[in-house]
Amino acid sequence: KAGVTQTPRYLIKTRGQQVTLSCSPISGHRSVSWYQQTPGQGLQFLFEYFSETQRNKGNFPGRFSGRQFSNSRSEMNVSTLELGDSALYLCASSLGGDRNQPQHFGDGTRLSIL
Amino acid sequence: AQSVSQHNHHVILSEAASLELGCNYSYGGTVNLFWYVQYPGQHLQLLLKYFSGDPLVKGIKGFEAEFIKSKFSFNLRKPSVQWSDTAEYFCAVTPGNQGGKLIFGQGTELSVKP
Repeated sequence: KAGVTQTPRYLIKTRGQQVTLSCSPISGHRSVSWYQQTPGQGLQFLFEYFSETQRNKGNFPGRFSGRQFSNSRSEMNVSTLELGDSALYLCASSLGGDRNQPQHFGDGTRLSIL
Repeated sequence: AQSVSQHNHHVILSEAASLELGCNYSYGGTVNLFWYVQYPGQHLQLLLKYFSGDPLVKGIKGFEAEFIKSKFSFNLRKPSVQWSDTAEYFCAVTPGNQGGKLIFGQGTELSVKP
């Protein structure tokens, strides 16, 4: 069974630009969560989508947004990029119906802001 | 605010030594508890989880963890580490009604010397 797939693996952008990251969950998984990983702040929760609806949200500014499609694939968008947005962005999926389900992580997209 | 604290930033052990990594969380309600591991160059993998029942849970590769509710702790243990256990270990908590939101500790880097 294929794991969580994130594309692209690497991205380089400049300040002020916007970026869209993609995540394909494990087949059958309906919940997708996004995390930001940095050396200073560690792993921080961005948001979770379940059945095309945002179910949980972390403490990130509105420049960070996401959506989920009917096939459970999810995208994350960051607008007006700042230097501090440089990070590894991780996507995780779970079955989602029962909240007691572990999340399975992808390899991440490494975003560098110049 | 909900938070997770891991006691050690970097642990260095020799092979066959015993391992205990500390994890404490701050949340007064029902929680689900996890330990994830990230081997060099690989994605985060679930090591073990606690949802309810027996507070001593066993995971993959000989790891176990004990949930002590009165101490808000979920420490990870392994009787005898191997060089292949070299990795970064993350403790994470999900508040009981927010299954898609993992709150992570800062991580503990484990180096096992052959």
